[in-house]
Amino acid sequence: AQSVTQLDSQVPVFEEAPVELRCNYSSSVSVYLFWYVQYPNQGLQLLLKYLSGSTLVKGINGFEAEFNKSQTSFHLRKPSVHISDTAEYFCAVSQKGNDYKLSFGAGTTVTVRA
Amino acid sequence: NAGVTQTPKFQVLKTGQSMTLQCAQDMNHEYMSWYRQDPGMGLRLIHYSVGAGITDQGEVPNGYNVSRSTTEDFPLRLLSAAPSQTSVYFCASGQEAPNEQFFGPGTRLTVL
Repeated sequence: AQSVTQLDSQVPVFEEAPVELRCNYSSSVSVYLFWYVQYPNQGLQLLLKYLSGSTLVKGINGFEAEFNKSQTSFHLRKPSVHISDTAEYFCAVSQKGNDYKLSFGAGTTVTVRA
Repeated sequence: NAGVTQTPKFQVLKTGQSMTLQCAQDMNHEYMSWYRQDPGMGLRLIHYSVGAGITDQGEVPNGYNVSRSTTEDFPLRLLSAAPSQTSVYFCASGQEAPNEQFFGPGTRLTVL
């Protein structure tokens, strides 16, 4: 079975500042990795995903994430945030060969202040 | 395409009542799933289906039933609601591995 740990439950950040959201996973087999965003009172939307290949993955809205196999991490970054980035962010993992079952982290709430 | 739709948006039940949460998708996806979201716990998989007529349990299946008679629909049934089932429920669908799942807007359920 796989599991996901998001190391920060809340991240306050000022507008135009950079942000990093940390995600670590554990799995006995190779994995696919995802970041989802949930805006207030909405469903989840895919930000980006790592399937294979380049370890630096670019997603929507200027976000990117880096897969580090040795550290079993998949941290999400954005160089300059906007007020509209205020949301909850979820890291998720699925195992190759069993990849229809997603395991989610507990989520990180990002609050962007002017 | 409407994507993934869920009804109702909100529901209040009394302990012991039963109800069905509806989920439909118009993307011809084979895979559908139900999650519940609770504060500080992320999303947890309740049940999933890899095609019509095929369902399986996820991480937290107790107290819930599902069926998949068509590709489009995947209802979630609460047989006898309990306060512990107060949560936000999300339905998702996806096609092929690796699974990018598309989520519905959610149903907020309160059990008194």
